[in-house]
Amino acid sequence: RKEVEQDPGPFNVPEGATVAFNCTYSNSASQSFFWYRQDCRKEPKLLMSVYSSGNEDGRFTAQLNRASQYISLLIRDSKLSDSATYLCVVNRVNDMRFGAGTRLTVKP
Amino acid sequence: DGGITQSPKYLFRKEGQNVTLSCEQNLNHDAMYWYRQDPGQGLRLIYYSQIVNDFQKGDIAEGYSVSREKKESFPLTVTSAQKNPTAFYLCASSIVTGSYGYTFGSGTRLTVV
Repeated sequence: RKEVEQDPGPFNVPEGATVAFNCTYSNSASQSFFWYRQDCRKEPKLLMSVYSSGNEDGRFTAQLNRASQYISLLIRDSKLSDSATYLCVVNRVNDMRFGAGTRLTVKP
Repeated sequence: DGGITQSPKYLFRKEGQNVTLSCEQNLNHDAMYWYRQDPGQGLRLIYYSQIVNDFQKGDIAEGYSVSREKKESFPLTVTSAQKNPTAFYLCASSIVTGSYGYTFGSGTRLTVV
């Protein structure tokens, strides 16, 4: 079993739609959680950290469920510019584990 | 502006040749990492370093070597022992090991010709 698992998608949604991505992780000792965004042939960039109480940054909301070892990302009012691959990232003691990513395409 | 610089952006390697990928950061980060990304796959850890003159193997270290002689620099050598080196290589750094998000360089795309 992979340490971090994501639905690869693709998710194809119209502009203005709400879309949610899920991620599960296997290491119950993990303490830090992140969502990264990666555009085609570019480096990943930090989108947001994920906190136990849930957190919001504009149109983006992240949730963490430690009991179920589950992380989610909700994007409201999708924009064309949101088209990218979203990576779920979970820390280990000395490094971080990356999911393979969920691809999102927002269409006009 | 602070950041991580990787060079070259594109690199072509002949069979049996060693090549070195450069990674330099001016963020004063202690920890540095090398990842490999293949199409449709997640990032896989090659090597990481927490302090100068010390580094550790990651999950796929075979066929690779690194050095950390300076805090700012963490070059990766892809040796001829790496049988399938064609991939996108990403260097990253962080303030402390594993606790904060990474900052990535823009990557080096290596192709075997």
